[in-house]
Amino acid sequence: AAGVIQSPRHLIKEKRETATLKCYPIPRHDTVYWYQQGPGQDPQFLISFYEKMQSDKGSIPDRFSAQQFSDYHSELNMSSLELGDSALYFCASSPRDRVRRTEAFFGQGTRLTVV
Amino acid sequence: LAKTTQPISMDSYEGQEVNITCSHNNIATNDYITWYQQFPSQGPRFIIQGYKTKVTNEVASLFIPADRKSSTLSLPRVSLSDTAVYYCLVGDLYNNNDMRFGAGTRLTVKP
Repeated sequence: AAGVIQSPRHLIKEKRETATLKCYPIPRHDTVYWYQQGPGQDPQFLISFYEKMQSDKGSIPDRFSAQQFSDYHSELNMSSLELGDSALYFCASSPRDRVRRTEAFFGQGTRLTVV
Repeated sequence: LAKTTQPISMDSYEGQEVNITCSHNNIATNDYITWYQQFPSQGPRFIIQGYKTKVTNEVASLFIPADRKSSTLSLPRVSLSDTAVYYCLVGDLYNNNDMRFGAGTRLTVKP
C-alpha cells in the first residue's frame, strides 16, 4: 500500500541557508500535517492544510512557510536556518473520513542538520 | 484543545499486560481519543481510536469511562518490540486539522 513519502530523507545545511522539505500524501488524502521533533522531544505541530488551504497553525516560526499544491503534495520552506532547527520533520496525511476520523499516516521523516 | 496528561515513563516485562492512562479533563463533546505509538527516528503510528466505552482491535484495547475525562490504553502480553513512546491525543480530524501531541509515555519492556 502507498505510504506518505517525504524527501529528502536527510539534509545538511549551513546556518542562514534555506531548505525545502517535500511531502507526498497517500492518494486521496486531502489533509497534510507538518511536525518538528527535536532530539528526545515530542512531535511539535507546525501547520496543516486541507484541500490546499491552510487549516490550522501551530508553533511554526515566521522563518518557515508551507503550502499544499494542486496535486496535494506539500512543501515546507525554511529560511535563515538556525542550529536549533536541527530536527526530524514529519509529514502526515489523513482522509476526511467519518469513521476513521482521527487516523493519520506519517512519513518516515526528513532529518535536517544545520551546521 | 483538550490538554492530555500521561505518565512520563513505565516499565514492564515481556508477557505482561500494560495499561497506560491518559487524563483529558477538558475533552469536548465532539472529540475522539486516539493513541499513537512511536519508535525512535520513525513517524508515529496509529494504534486505536475511541469515543466512549470500550474499543478493541488486533493490537490493543481502549477503555473510556462514561465521563470521558480519562482513557486507558491496554496492551496485552507485551513483547520487547513494544518498547516505544505512546501518545494520547484528543480531537476530531473530521472537523478540524489541529492534531497536537503532548508529552508521551515512554514504555520500556524488559526480558
